[in-house]
Amino acid sequence: SQKIEQNSEALNIQEGKTATLTCNYTNYSPAYLQWYRQDPGRGPVFLLLIRENEKEKRKERLKVTFDTTLKQSLFHITASQPADSATYLCALISGSGTASKLTFGTGTRLQVTL
Amino acid sequence: DADVTQTPRNRITKTGKRIMLECSQTKGHDRMYWYRQDPGLGLQLIYYSFDVKDINKGEISDGYSVSRQAQAKFSLSLESAIPNQTALYFCATSDFNGFQETQYFGPGTRLLVL
Repeated sequence: SQKIEQNSEALNIQEGKTATLTCNYTNYSPAYLQWYRQDPGRGPVFLLLIRENEKEKRKERLKVTFDTTLKQSLFHITASQPADSATYLCALISGSGTASKLTFGTGTRLQVTL
Repeated sequence: DADVTQTPRNRITKTGKRIMLECSQTKGHDRMYWYRQDPGLGLQLIYYSFDVKDINKGEISDGYSVSRQAQAKFSLSLESAIPNQTALYFCATSDFNGFQETQYFGPGTRLLVL
């Protein structure tokens, strides 16, 4: 069966360090993968998209890698700040053409402390 | 004004009551989704609609029904509410262009079933 796995345990890091979150998947061959941020009680917000032919994507302090051989994406936040504390969800596209749709992982909570 | 709005934002109801949650969007997107999220858990897809005439069940549709009244409106009904439907409900739209999509979420409706 298809699975998207993100670490269910919260990641606690100190301000200024780099946070690295992992998204592993099985039985998917996604053409692209996305990362969203969700603050408590609010809807997820899109952050980044990376395509299967891209190894790495950057946006300001965010970096995403996508390894289709390992079936894994890593999400990095450099110089992390307390304001980065949130839950981060990865999402994969499944299906093809007009029948395709996104499926979300359960998310990993990041806590950045002073 | 927000692009994806949900009403009500909070609702308390009793077991057995029928209730409707409403979602409106001004983004002009064809695709709309309803998710529920339980505390500490991921998003579970209830129903999705790829256009006004195309409505599909998600992974947890039992006990729910939907109506797509127009491109801009997608309503979720709980026919006979039960306590384990207490959750945070999100509506989302997507900008699917035939190849990829990004989802845009509403602010959520917090539902308590007594």
